Amino acid sequence: QKEVEQDPGPLSVPEGAIVSLNCTYSNSAFQYFMWYRQYSRKGPELLMYTYSSGNKEDGRFTAQVDKSSKYISLFIRDSQPSDSATYLCAMSQAGTALIFGKGTTLSVSS
Amino acid sequence: NAGVMQNPRHLVRRRGQEARLRCSPVKGHSHAYWYRQLPEEGLKFMVYLQKENIIDESGMPKERFSAEFPKEGPSILRIQQVVRGDSAAYFCASSPTGQGAQETQYFGPGTRLLVL
Repeated sequence: QKEVEQDPGPLSVPEGAIVSLNCTYSNSAFQYFMWYRQYSRKGPELLMYTYSSGNKEDGRFTAQVDKSSKYISLFIRDSQPSDSATYLCAMSQAGTALIFGKGTTLSVSS
Repeated sequence: NAGVMQNPRHLVRRRGQEARLRCSPVKGHSHAYWYRQLPEEGLKFMVYLQKENIIDESGMPKERFSAEFPKEGPSILRIQQVVRGDSAAYFCASSPTGQGAQETQYFGPGTRLLVL
């Protein structure tokens, strides 16, 4: 079992839809959870950063962490064509390297 | 408000040559990280450096690869005697000092290495 699993998609939605992106993981010691957005041929851009369990909201984006289920989610409300990108989840223990999922490719059509 | 800078953005090398990739972290950041991204693969950690120190190189291949982050100047990832399997996008990230700093990493645009 891989440490971090992420469905690669692609995921296609119409503009205005609510998007749900998810990752599961196997290492219960992970404490830090991140979501990155990567446009084609660009570097990853940090979107959301969460420590331990709970929810965090920033504009149209909401990150959720459920440590009991080893499951994290990113919700995008009112999706826009500019949200079309690859979304990478990442996580780590304190003082260790980030472990990334393979990324989910999202396409939002106008 | 300059972010992480990487150069060159594209690098072409023939098998057996050396590749040298440079990374200038966000101003004030003293932690640097290198990652490799292969097609259809996620980002894979290679090495974590602080100024003049290698903190974690557990993801670095044992041969041909080296990294440094001198007191002055950019961080360098060096690949000697490149092979076609080294073709990938190499990303540098940096983070500020302080508790939890390792987790809040900001990425550069990457260097795309092509080995012919």
